[in-house]
Amino acid sequence: TQLLEQSPQFLSIQEGENLTVYCNSSSVFSSLQWYRQEPGEGPVLLVTVVTGGEVKKLKRLTFQFGDARKDSSLHITAAQPGDTGLYLCAHAGGTSYGKLTFGQGTILTVHP
Amino acid sequence: SAVISQKPSRDICQRGTSLTIQCQVDSQVTMMFWYRQQPGQSLTLIATANQGSEATYESGFVIDKFPISRPNLTFSTLTVSNMSPEDSSIYLCSVGQGSLAFFGQGTRLTVV
Repeated sequence: TQLLEQSPQFLSIQEGENLTVYCNSSSVFSSLQWYRQEPGEGPVLLVTVVTGGEVKKLKRLTFQFGDARKDSSLHITAAQPGDTGLYLCAHAGGTSYGKLTFGQGTILTVHP
Repeated sequence: SAVISQKPSRDICQRGTSLTIQCQVDSQVTMMFWYRQQPGQSLTLIATANQGSEATYESGFVIDKFPISRPNLTFSTLTVSNMSPEDSSIYLCSVGQGSLAFFGQGTRLTVV
């Protein structure tokens, strides 16, 4: 089993602050995905990183895939209350991207 | 993209009873997946629902406890049998399309 260690588990910050969430493993992955889940909803895909060293930006969110493809990070700049939610990294372990192994998740709360 | 509808969205059940959760997809898919999300935690894969064959269960999950049906390429059900309070969780179905995964909104189950 390829485990994903996600940290921190909880983040409580003020609006305007920056934050970084980490997703680490001893295994090499062909790709990693980041999801965001709001209460009462299923996870929604934010990004898939595929190439070692890759950096992808989604507005105030920056995703990086480690050079060795064993780890990834999510950085949020100037967090807003609307960023509040559960952030999950995941990898697809089978032939379908619907079959996912998730990290433990990071519960982010951004206070106004 | 795939649109997934789950029913019910939530339920409160007595211990010892069973609940069947339905998952409907707006397009035909080969595999559907069922996940459990315990309170405040990440998602764990229960099983893969294969059309025309028995579901494939992950370690720690058994068919007697979580029987799954997959009568066609757009529909699946998950039954949580002989429920106990420890089964209180959110149950989600998902499908993969290409390099994307889509989730239903989940069924929040409380066992009392």
